[in-house]
Formats: sequence, structure tokens, C-alpha cells
Amino acid sequence: GAGVSQSPSNKVTEKGKDVELRCDPISGHTALYWYRQSLGQGLEFLIYFQGNSAPDKSGLPSDRFSAERTGGSVSTLTIQRTQQEDSAVYLCASSLGGASKGQNEQYFGPGTRLTVT
Amino acid sequence: GDSVTQMEGPVTLSEEAFLTINCTYTATGYPSLFWYVQYPGEGLQLLLKATKADDKGSNKGFEATYRKETTSFHLEKGSVQVSDSAVYFCALSDYSSGNTPLVFGKGTRLSVIA
Repeated sequence: GAGVSQSPSNKVTEKGKDVELRCDPISGHTALYWYRQSLGQGLEFLIYFQGNSAPDKSGLPSDRFSAERTGGSVSTLTIQRTQQEDSAVYLCASSLGGASKGQNEQYFGPGTRLTVT
Repeated sequence: GDSVTQMEGPVTLSEEAFLTINCTYTATGYPSLFWYVQYPGEGLQLLLKATKADDKGSNKGFEATYRKETTSFHLEKGSVQVSDSAVYFCALSDYSSGNTPLVFGKGTRLSVIA
């Protein structure tokens, strides 16, 4: 079946502009995660959605970052007033989100490479 | 908080050599442990996992054993191939507090030469 998809695959933007990154999780997966992969910081958790619960935003690096998940499916990560240090690959993952450990494997999308000039 | 420490590369090996990539963790709960692999130009893929102490995860000739006493999850392969060249990430998820995000190590780049 279809995996996690992300768009765009690449985004180049000027410093100060806003950007929106989109994630389509695997159908039926209730949990959705955003991570950032950058050279200096490795892989960092940003935000996590589980069903209809309030999202866990503890990984967002600043208030310029926000995310929504509409209808429990598609998610959009928005970065306002982009800075050069925001340049990274933004990864989305989804999982079944059940209570059992075996239901919580995370499947990753191909990522969006963001370059802020 | 929870953390993962893995050996930093790059690691360069000849084909058919033995591979070990060390990984240790700290966690407040009883985490599940994972190895993810990122091949050149591709996304992250789950390589193997273990959810409780003494479990051995295995896939594609790779193995890792969940050692609670040493808080380790070292990745091993008996005979590497050129196609194993990739970046390997050790990770944990502490489900004792719910369906939590993954905490990753910094990654180890492996290059296998013919």
C-alpha cells in the first residue's frame, strides 16, 4: 500500500518568508510525527499528534514553528519568517498509534529538503 | 531525559568484514529499541527492533540484542556488502509514558569498499 508521502520534496525560500510543508500519513495511522534532520543536530523530534488529543509540541524550537492536522489525516508544518538555521530535511512519520508496543512502529516519508537563502 | 549515544563514524570496511556499531541508551522507563537505516538518497527505513530485555532483533543479516544490564543495543553483521553502505541510526521510544516520539543517536555512516 501507499507509504507516507511528503510535499514538496525540495523547497528553496528566502530568509523571512513563510513556508508550508505537507505530510500525508499511511491510511489508518492515528499517530503522526514531525522530525528535523540537520547536519549539526542530527534527527530531532518536533511535534506529535495522536488521534484527537492535543498535540505534543515539546520539540518545536521556536514559536515560528507550528503544525496542524486536519481531520486526523493530513498534516501541515508551517515555519514563519524563515531563518537560515531552519535549513534542514523535515521528516514526517506515522504509526498505528495503538496501546501495544508492537503497534507503534514509525514509518517515515522521504522528507522535504528546505533551503533558506 | 532519554538519550541515545552511538559511535560516530565514518566507518570504512572492506567487503565481507565484520561490523559492529555500538549504541547505548539512557531512559527513565522501559523503552523499545530500534535501528534505522538511511541509504544514499533515500528515506529512513526501520532495520530491526527489540521491545524487551534479551530480545534479539534481526533483518538482512544484521542483529542487535537488547541488553538491559548494560543499557546497550549494538548492531552487528558478520559479513558486510557494498550495498550496506548507508547511515545507521540507533533510536529508542519510551512507551511506558505513552506512544512517544523516537529519540535518535547522531548516526553512523558506514562505507563498504569492494
